[in-house]
Order: sequence, then C-alpha cells, then structure tokens
Amino acid sequence: DQQVKQNSPSLSVQEGRISILNCDYTNSMFDYFLWYKKYPAEGPTFLISISSIKDKNEDGRFTVFLNKSAKHLSLHIVPSQPGDSAVYFCAAGKYGNKLVFGAGTILRVKS
Amino acid sequence: GAVVSQHPSWVICKSGTSVKIECRSLDFQATTMFWYRQFPKQSLMLMATSNEGSKATYEQGVEKDKFLINHASLTLSTLTVTSAHPEDSSFYICSATGLAGLTDTQYFGPGTRLTVL
Repeated sequence: DQQVKQNSPSLSVQEGRISILNCDYTNSMFDYFLWYKKYPAEGPTFLISISSIKDKNEDGRFTVFLNKSAKHLSLHIVPSQPGDSAVYFCAAGKYGNKLVFGAGTILRVKS
Repeated sequence: GAVVSQHPSWVICKSGTSVKIECRSLDFQATTMFWYRQFPKQSLMLMATSNEGSKATYEQGVEKDKFLINHASLTLSTLTVTSAHPEDSSFYICSATGLAGLTDTQYFGPGTRLTVL
C-alpha cells in the first residue's frame, strides 16, 4: 500500500528554468509533509517542509505547495541549477509518528 | 545545527560475522531515531523506530533478532547486523528527531555502506 507516490521517476530541466516535482498521498490523516534531496551514497538532506494548515511554504529557491483537497504536494525550484541534480524524496506523516517516503524522483539540471 | 553522524561510513565483513553501526546526533538530543536501508535505485525502507530507553519498534518483515537496535542515550543509537549474509549488503541510513518544541523533521546521517562477502 503506497501511501506516498512520486509518479515521475525522473525529470530533466534546463539550467535557469523551473523544476516542478510532484507527490501524491492517500492518507488524509497526514499533517506534515517534507522534501528531501539525496546524492548517491549519501544520506538525505532536509530541504523544506509544510504543515497541513498551510498551502505554501517558501525558502529561497524552494517552494512547497500543498493541495489538501487533491492530496497533492509539489516542490518548485526556481531557478534550477546544475547542483540541484539529485534524487528528491517527498515524505508525509502525522506529527509524532513515522514518516512515509515516496520512491523518489531523479532531477537532472542541464547546463 | 541538526547534524547526525554515522560510523563507520563503509564496512566490509565476512559472512557470519556481526557488524555494529553507530548513529549520533551531534548538536541536539534525539528522542527518536530511525533506521532505514536503501537498495540500489530504490526508495528508503524504514526498518525500525527507536526511542531513547525503550525497545525499538520494527517494521513488518524486519527480523528483530537479526537487526539489533539499541538507543541507550539521547545522542546515540546503534544497529547491529548479526550473522551477516551477502543479502544484508546494503546502504544503511539513520535519522533522528529532536525534543518536543521542534518539528518532526528527521535529520539524516550520511549512511553506512555494508558489504558482506
């Protein structure tokens, strides 16, 4: 039972353009959502999070949007840089409980 | 802040031996630590959740007698792979969350690459 899905295994974007990574979830009880970035052979790095009481959270080049009615969240990276090339995982959970991770999306930013 | 370290970063061992991996929160007290493993080109698979001073909670399908977890202090958790076999070869990653008042953001360690010969 995949409660968190990232349907795009990979995404390729030109440097300077916007990268949009998508994530869908099925559990309406989730109240906390996060995005992580991961390079090969390294642990994930926390990027940005959002609580279910918000619909947008911004941190520099990264913005996360949450659409609770659609059970959908997205990560926007503007402008995309070659160093952003990595695997991006979305995660969801209830406060105080374990997180459920998506399968990840490989982002390639071409220069 | 919120730095998590793991040791060792990689280990090679013979089949049948046991391997211990340490996970430390360096600048915060971790009330909860998580252990994951990741196979090539796959997502993170949660193995177990441990709270300081209590027994770990294992995910379905994870052998608790094979993967021993100890969370003896607020800054240290250990994962011991007992009687390791080649199929245990994987990338093991820990994460930690802090005290109440902080978010439930999990901060991850750099991972440990285990290769069992």
